[in-house]
Amino acid sequence: DVKVTQSSRYLVKRTGEKVFLECVQDMDHENMFWYRQDPGLGLRLIYFSYDVKMKEKGDIPEGYSVSREKKERFSLILESASTNQTSMYLCASSFWGRNNQPQHFGDGTRLSIL
Amino acid sequence: AQKITQTQPGMFVQEKEAVTLDCTYDTSDPSYGLFWYKQPSSGEMIFLIYQGSYDQQNATEGRYSLNFQKARKSANLVISASQLGDSAMYFCAMRETGGGNKLTFGTGTQLKVEL
Repeated sequence: DVKVTQSSRYLVKRTGEKVFLECVQDMDHENMFWYRQDPGLGLRLIYFSYDVKMKEKGDIPEGYSVSREKKERFSLILESASTNQTSMYLCASSFWGRNNQPQHFGDGTRLSIL
Repeated sequence: AQKITQTQPGMFVQEKEAVTLDCTYDTSDPSYGLFWYKQPSSGEMIFLIYQGSYDQQNATEGRYSLNFQKARKSANLVISASQLGDSAMYFCAMRETGGGNKLTFGTGTQLKVEL
């Protein structure tokens, strides 16, 4: 069974802090994704990666960066957290090129920036 | 322009009844896929069902079926015999071949199943 693990379910940080959200998958998936979810807006793609050391911007990359040093791990970084980054963050992974295969999601991290 | 539109922010259904959750999409890519996910209050996203644009038949998975009307660009989720455990947020999403493996999500429909 596919397992996508996010390091924290709940996280509280202060404005201006550097925040790291970690995601690990155990299915050898090439693709990994970071989304944020806000009420009434659905899921919006922040960044994604098709391979190690490779990243591409999604729809809302401003204020975020990512790192993928190993295939199984994809980190989301908030360089200087702001209150408007309070949100639910979801990590997902999938195989490259298998269009009928779903993305598999972690349980999410509810991040509060005070 | 919205690529995925879910026009029902909230829906109520009585237990054991069937319910249809609407999803319309917009794409010029002839090859695409449509996915439905369920998100309970605990937060995890659970994959329910997939429909490919070239699939001849509507997808079914247990109590879930997809009413795919390609000409209308709609992919409505039908849940038969609703159960209390079906109460959750439901998201429709689309993958376009030209867009790589990215998914575009709708804003979701909150379903509440009542006794």
